[in-house]
Amino acid sequence: EVQLVESGGGLVKPGGSLRLSCAASGFTFSSYTMNWVRQAPGKGLEWVSSISSSTSYIYYADSVKGRFTISRDNAKNSLYLQMNSLRAEDTAVYYCARDGGELYIRFDYWGQGTLVTVSS
Amino acid sequence: NFMLTQPHSVSESPGKTVTISCTGSSGSIASNYVQWYQQRPGSAPTTVIYEDNQRPSGVPDRFSGSIDSSSNSASLTISGLKTEDEADYYCQSYDSSNGVFGGGTKLTVL
Repeated sequence: EVQLVESGGGLVKPGGSLRLSCAASGFTFSSYTMNWVRQAPGKGLEWVSSISSSTSYIYYADSVKGRFTISRDNAKNSLYLQMNSLRAEDTAVYYCARDGGELYIRFDYWGQGTLVTVSS
Repeated sequence: NFMLTQPHSVSESPGKTVTISCTGSSGSIASNYVQWYQQRPGSAPTTVIYEDNQRPSGVPDRFSGSIDSSSNSASLTISGLKTEDEADYYCQSYDSSNGVFGGGTKLTVL
């Protein structure tokens, strides 16, 4: 059974940093592109970042470019998101999602999410 | 930037059929696959349609997807509505290597 479990969310002040983790199990993690998708309270889904299976390709939404860094450790079946210079508008539930598409983007498995709150 | 536009909300009665649209801002929506996700309150999204019109195992055939190139839009149709279908629905495609979501549609079954 595919499982994605996020952790690391919490309350942080504007300008602060936070590192999210996603532990994957039930599939060959090293074979899949992985993503972070977020959802602000009461709002829609927003794709944040993706990283290819071998880390050769990394992409970011314009809203987080230069502030967030995605990474992965295939030996530990883990995905990470380092978030710096956090702003109030980064407040959201952050989901880890597997890209199950073959040559296209499709989020076939999602974690339960971890809440990040940016507030003074 | 490529955008997907959905109606904010739709409502229909149990047993009826509802269609949710998803319109692409530019280019041809038919060029890239469209997925549809259902999200119930407090839960993560789950896929109800992928590759424009394919249903994952476990999704009832009351759910169907289609593409209309003439209007540059995708549609999710749910027939035989049940109260359990009440949820938010999001379309999703991609632009270059970026995922793109529609703004979501709240379906009310009343």
